[in-house]
Amino acid sequence: GAVVSQHPSWVICKSGTSVKIECRSLDFQATTMFWYRQFPKQSLMLMATSNEGSKATYEQGVEKDKFLINHASLTLSTLTVTSAHPEDSSFYICSGTGAGGSHEQYFGPGTRLTVT
Amino acid sequence: AQSVTQPDIHITVSEGASLELRCNYSYGATPYLFWYVQSPGQGLQLLLKYFSGDTLVQGIKGFEAEFKRSQSSFNLRKPSVHWSDAAEYFCAVGPYSSASKIIFGSGTRLSIRP
Repeated sequence: GAVVSQHPSWVICKSGTSVKIECRSLDFQATTMFWYRQFPKQSLMLMATSNEGSKATYEQGVEKDKFLINHASLTLSTLTVTSAHPEDSSFYICSGTGAGGSHEQYFGPGTRLTVT
Repeated sequence: AQSVTQPDIHITVSEGASLELRCNYSYGATPYLFWYVQSPGQGLQLLLKYFSGDTLVQGIKGFEAEFKRSQSSFNLRKPSVHWSDAAEYFCAVGPYSSASKIIFGSGTRLSIRP
């Protein structure tokens, strides 16, 4: 149980365009979802925390107007990278909590974004 | 300050040998401790977790970890590694009482020598 999916698994886009990444909790209701960014050979960096129906809380240094997060339902959160640039190329991972009451995070498989 | 330290960036062990990955943490409240594994290009898979109870925790894939409060450590062990264990391993700490952010260590890359 407690499965999280992400779509797409990889995406290539041109500089200046926007790209949306979806994160879905398949078998539980994710009251809270987290978005992480991971650079090659590095650890996960938390970008933002979102609660269903509320505005996301962004970590210091993360541009909220560039990384738009929507958590409109208990099973879906989206991350939109607006006006993407090559430096936004990264591995984006989401996670959700809410299953079983332990607040453990369940991670998605990640989305590889390449901006050309 | 809250932090997780994984002092070993890269470890290489021979297939069949034992493994221990180190993790030390600094956390103000009662910690909820995790070990995750990440294969190249993949997301994170939970190996095991600890909040309370027996300080020796069994996980998936033959892994175990021991919580030592006096040493603020939560080291991961496996008695005999397999080539498929080659991956990146992350120790993490978070609160049990709320859905708040987890603090990750910097990771330890495990390579297996044939």
